[in-house]
Amino acid sequence: AQSVTQPDIHITVSEGASLELRCNYSYGATPYLFWYVQSPGQGLQLLLKYFSGDTLVQGIKGFEAEFKRSQSSFNLRKPSVHWSDAAEYFCAVGAGDYKLSFGAGTTVTVRA
Amino acid sequence: DAMVIQNPRYQVTQFGKPVTLSCSQTLNHNVMYWYQQKSSQAPKLLFHYYDKDFNNEADTPDNFQSRRPNTSFCFLDIRSPGLGDAAMYLCATSELRGGGETQYFGPGTRLLVL
Repeated sequence: AQSVTQPDIHITVSEGASLELRCNYSYGATPYLFWYVQSPGQGLQLLLKYFSGDTLVQGIKGFEAEFKRSQSSFNLRKPSVHWSDAAEYFCAVGAGDYKLSFGAGTTVTVRA
Repeated sequence: DAMVIQNPRYQVTQFGKPVTLSCSQTLNHNVMYWYQQKSSQAPKLLFHYYDKDFNNEADTPDNFQSRRPNTSFCFLDIRSPGLGDAAMYLCATSELRGGGETQYFGPGTRLLVL
């Protein structure tokens, strides 16, 4: 069965600084990988996804993620963080059976 | 805009009093999911429907039931809510095409049990 690890529970970053959120997955075949963002009291919004092809994926809100098969990773990055990026971020892996396995999430705090 | 809608956004119920949460979609997707999310945790899948076929997760309590009367609507019924059932309940949809389908989430219903 597939699984996802997000090693960082909480990250604090200054507004304008860069952000990188780590995600490691465990799955025997080529995974389907997703990053979702959840603002307080809201549902999950899809930031980006990787199915195949180019390993650098561009998403909404200026986010990108890079799939590295050799490291079983799918880290999320943003070059310059805005205060509105404060939220919880979930990495998820799909195995083709229309279920997703979510990581525990990383809470991002943005300081002025 | 096509979307997933959940009503109500906040629901207060009493211990042991049945409650129903609703979800509707305008995406015409064939799969609908219900998740439970407790504070600072990942969403936990309760069950999903593929068209009319109901698929329950092995560890979903019997207290939780679901109905999908048509493609657009799906309901979550909690027969006898306990204090531990207070959580955010998320509905999601996807279109099954053979793998890797994206799930689209509604805004959630926060359930409070008194």
